[in-house]
Amino acid sequence: AQTVTQSQPEMSVQEAETVTLSCTYDTSESDYYLFWYKQPPSRQMILVIRQEAYKQQNATENRFSVNFQKAAKSFSLKISDSQLGDAAMYFCAYRSGGGSEKLVFGKGMKLTVNP
Amino acid sequence: ETGVTQSPTHLIKTRGQQVTLRCSSQSGHNTVSWYQQALGQGPQFIFQYYREEENGRGNFPPRFSGLQFPNYSSELNVNALELDDSALYLCASSRTSGVYNEQFFGPGTRLTVL
Repeated sequence: AQTVTQSQPEMSVQEAETVTLSCTYDTSESDYYLFWYKQPPSRQMILVIRQEAYKQQNATENRFSVNFQKAAKSFSLKISDSQLGDAAMYFCAYRSGGGSEKLVFGKGMKLTVNP
Repeated sequence: ETGVTQSPTHLIKTRGQQVTLRCSSQSGHNTVSWYQQALGQGPQFIFQYYREEENGRGNFPPRFSGLQFPNYSSELNVNALELDDSALYLCASSRTSGVYNEQFFGPGTRLTVL
């Protein structure tokens, strides 16, 4: 079974600074996807960024980028130029490449952005 | 385009009762997944429905059951409620087409079991 681990329950960052959220996962599969989701206090889960395991290039979406280390099974999220609106719970998630679209989530990390 | 909606927003039940939660998928989506998110935890996969058939199930007992309707909306039913069933229940819809398709989440239903 696949597992996702987020070892930092909380982090804080100053507005405009950069913060990195860490995630490790365990799988024996070679074809999979990794995700970072954001869940603001309003509760609706929003996809931040996606990484396909077969791609060597790290995904980027504007201020958000990942550091995908496949051999180490590590998948960290870097948020640059942090904004107050980035404050939320962040979840790392795993999905197998085929069949079910089941997502396996980590426990999440609460990010606070200080003005 | 209407996003994923869920009803009700909040619900309070007592132990032993039954509950039905509803999810309307995003337009054009044919797959609905349900997740249970206990307080302070990440969501856990309950099951998924694709074209009205269950297409994958997580580690949840049979008293958790579901339905998907021809319009691809879905229901989650929980029988014999237990205190540990108190959680935020999320549904997510996607358009399964053989390649990666993003799941879009609803706002959730907060269930409290007393």
